[in-house]
Amino acid sequence: DSGVTQTPKHLITATGQRVTLRCSPRSGDLSVYWYQQSLDQGLQFLIHYYNGEERAKGNILERFSAQQFPDLHSELNLSSLELGDSALYFCASSVATGGYGYTFGSGTRLTVV
Amino acid sequence: AQKITQTQPGMFVQEKEAVTLDCTYDTSDPSYGLFWYKQPSSGEMIFLIYQGSYDQQNATEGRYSLNFQKARKSANLVISASQLGDSAMYFCAMRPWPQGGSEKLVFGKGTKLTVNP
Repeated sequence: DSGVTQTPKHLITATGQRVTLRCSPRSGDLSVYWYQQSLDQGLQFLIHYYNGEERAKGNILERFSAQQFPDLHSELNLSSLELGDSALYFCASSVATGGYGYTFGSGTRLTVV
Repeated sequence: AQKITQTQPGMFVQEKEAVTLDCTYDTSDPSYGLFWYKQPSSGEMIFLIYQGSYDQQNATEGRYSLNFQKARKSANLVISASQLGDSAMYFCAMRPWPQGGSEKLVFGKGTKLTVNP
């Protein structure tokens, strides 16, 4: 157990639907990062939150949004889902900005049918 | 922009032998960190080893070592005495250290390692 908890582990949903992926960072970690892993695009950075504030955005679609709550857990919301959104979504956490220790969760495998 | 290149889509090695997985990177940042992660078929990302750009010595973690050649911008992973459980995808990643920026990781495409008995 890495200490980073992602739920659910698997999610199957239909096109056009909306889903929420949840991440609880390791105790004491203030930064949360979301990554998408697909066969064609590889591992892509989506967004970074630090202590509740958005720090950076990567290749995140406008249909996707995220937030980090006061208890530091984070949610990634995916809406108007398309077949191409099927991927493994990872959350990672680290202690603070400037620290190099990343810990990944086990991922949420999203299948859009 | 930062870029990681892993030129070996797949590698095969015999059990108990050593194997080197290649990684080259491109960055204009003076400071950065280099990482290797292992992703078994179960999907989780497992941190293996880290090398800072200003570290004088190559990083080692058990059977893993990182052959860091800064002038050549390469950060190859060496796995000694391969085990069947080492069969997995291996990703090289880089984290730039821009001032006031985000410490996101940039990943390579990965190398699939297969250890044969």
